[in-house]
Amino acid sequence: SQKIEQNSEALNIQEGKTATLTCNYTNYSPAYLQWYRQDPGRGPVFLLLIRENEKEKRKERLKVTFDTTLKQSLFHITASQPADSATYLCALDISSRNTGFQKLVFGTGTRLLVSP
Amino acid sequence: ETGVTQTPRHLVMGMTNKKSLKCEQHLGHNAMYWYKQSAKKPLELMFVYNFKEQTENNSVPSRFSPECPNSSHLFLHLHTLQPEDSALYLCASSQVDRGRNTEAFFGQGTRLTVV
Repeated sequence: SQKIEQNSEALNIQEGKTATLTCNYTNYSPAYLQWYRQDPGRGPVFLLLIRENEKEKRKERLKVTFDTTLKQSLFHITASQPADSATYLCALDISSRNTGFQKLVFGTGTRLLVSP
Repeated sequence: ETGVTQTPRHLVMGMTNKKSLKCEQHLGHNAMYWYKQSAKKPLELMFVYNFKEQTENNSVPSRFSPECPNSSHLFLHLHTLQPEDSALYLCASSQVDRGRNTEAFFGQGTRLTVV
């Protein structure tokens, strides 16, 4: 069956440390992979997009890697802050390149708690 | 403000009621989506509209009926729902050009409770 797995347990880390979140998938061949942040009671907010031919993407304190052989993406937040506490969602874009829409399949998300 | 506005933010309805959720995007995007987010489950894509035409229906029960009158507005009409339909309903939009996809912009969602 097709599956996207993220750490189901909450990740607790100390402020200033690097948080690393994992996204593993099976039976998909996504052209793109995206990471979103979701706060309680609110809609997801886009963070980063990485394409299948890219190994790594960075944006400020965020870094995403994408290994299509391992079928895995890692999401890193360096110098973490309490304000980074949220649920982080991994999403695969499984639409074909010639469709006129995007088809995102989401993982259940990993809750990150950053303590002062 | 994400550029995608959903109303109402909260809705409680009985199983025999008819209600509608509204979504408006101010971003000039060409595709709009309805997602459902239930507790402990991942977001599930329900419907996709591209240039006002429905291009995807993810086996959603007919008690959910989408409507897209123009590229900026999207509705989800609800009737005779079940308690298990209680969830957060999220609208999203994106700009999709053939061969190049971009990120989705989500609204704040409507928290629906069916009693």
